[in-house]
Amino acid sequence: GAGVSQTPSNKVTEKGKYVELRCDPISGHTALYWYRQSLGQGPEFLIYFQGTGAADDSGLPNDRFFAVRPEGSVSTLKIQRTERGDSAVYLCASSLAGGGRDYEQYFGPGTRLTVT
Amino acid sequence: GEDVEQSLFLSVREGDSSVINCTYTDSSSTYLYWYKQEPGAGLQLLTYIFSNMDMKQDQRLTVLLNKKDKHLSLRIADTQTGDSAIYFCAETPGGYQKVTFGIGTKLQVIP
Repeated sequence: GAGVSQTPSNKVTEKGKYVELRCDPISGHTALYWYRQSLGQGPEFLIYFQGTGAADDSGLPNDRFFAVRPEGSVSTLKIQRTERGDSAVYLCASSLAGGGRDYEQYFGPGTRLTVT
Repeated sequence: GEDVEQSLFLSVREGDSSVINCTYTDSSSTYLYWYKQEPGAGLQLLTYIFSNMDMKQDQRLTVLLNKKDKHLSLRIADTQTGDSAIYFCAETPGGYQKVTFGIGTKLQVIP
């Protein structure tokens, strides 16, 4: 079956602009996660959804970042007033439930965001 | 704070064993993971270990956990060129959902 897909694969935007990044999880996966991976670093947790609600948004760096999952499937990560420091690969993952090996997180290929 | 530490680089000859080490900080982590990331590809879960285990073997992979020292290692037997990738150690501080990753160890396998 299809894995986690993310669109766009690449996004170049100017400083100050608004961007939306989309994640399509594996069908039937109730949990969805967003991570950010800067160059030369490991992925950094941003937010976790269980169904439609954000169960843990402690990793969002500031109020310019927001994510939604209105129907419990597709999620959109929204970044307002982008800054050059937001440049990174944004990874999405989904799992059957909340975590652990029985609830392995399957990662998408990521969206590479470049803010000029 | 939460901080997973790994060495940045490891080079081995094809056929030798590779050992990648990691230290983590949160003793409440329930699961400890090893992920693999190949160039241009997504993250792939290689293996995991429960925090109440000392060792886990999965084909060519052996994971050792020392809870006292908060030390985790991944041994790859008979390393192949296809094993060249970045390997991330990760923990689940305080629960299951939030995964904290290390910086990654780049494994280079020399033919």
